[in-house]
Amino acid sequence: DAGVIQSPRHEVTEMGQEVTLRCKPISGHNSLFWYRQTMMRGLELLIYFNNNVPIDDSGMPEDRFSAKMPNASFSTLKIQPSEPRDSAVYFCASRLQGDQPQHFGDGTRLSIL
Amino acid sequence: AQSVTQPDIHITVSEGASLELRCNYSYGATPYLFWYVQSPGQGLQLLLKYFSGDTLVQGIKGFEAEFKRSQSSFNLRKPSVHWSDAAEYFCAVGPYNTDKLIFGTGTRLQVFP
Repeated sequence: DAGVIQSPRHEVTEMGQEVTLRCKPISGHNSLFWYRQTMMRGLELLIYFNNNVPIDDSGMPEDRFSAKMPNASFSTLKIQPSEPRDSAVYFCASRLQGDQPQHFGDGTRLSIL
Repeated sequence: AQSVTQPDIHITVSEGASLELRCNYSYGATPYLFWYVQSPGQGLQLLLKYFSGDTLVQGIKGFEAEFKRSQSSFNLRKPSVHWSDAAEYFCAVGPYNTDKLIFGTGTRLQVFP
């Protein structure tokens, strides 16, 4: 079975540019999560969706970050404008239902120069 | 405050030796507990989970963990480590619906032949 698919795997861009990270959850999963992983702060939950609806975005660092889930099989995390401190590995995870564990993608390593 | 503490940042063991990775949590409600493993350049893979019932849970790759409510601990163990177990290990705690998981800072395991 295909797992959570993230693209791109690596992204290098200059400060000020718009960055879009993409995620395809496991088919049939109804919850989707975006995380950010850095050495300093570890793994942080940014936002999560249930049935394509954003439930909690309290972890989104600032207005430069936005996330959408237009349908059950696709989500994006957008940073505009990007800054060097946004450099991190961004993970997407999906979950089947309430008490099931989250399954993670392989992440997008983002470098903002 | 809700938190997860993994007191060991880095552990080194010889192949074939036993392993115990420590995890302590602080959580106001009944905790749901998880151990994930992350290999370099990859996402987090679920090793095992504890929701209720038997406090000794078995996971994949020969790992097990024991929930001790009195000690607020959920330590991960393996009787004989293989070189392929070298990775970073994360303990996580969350509510029954596993929406907002709180992750520890991770323990990096190095295995010597």
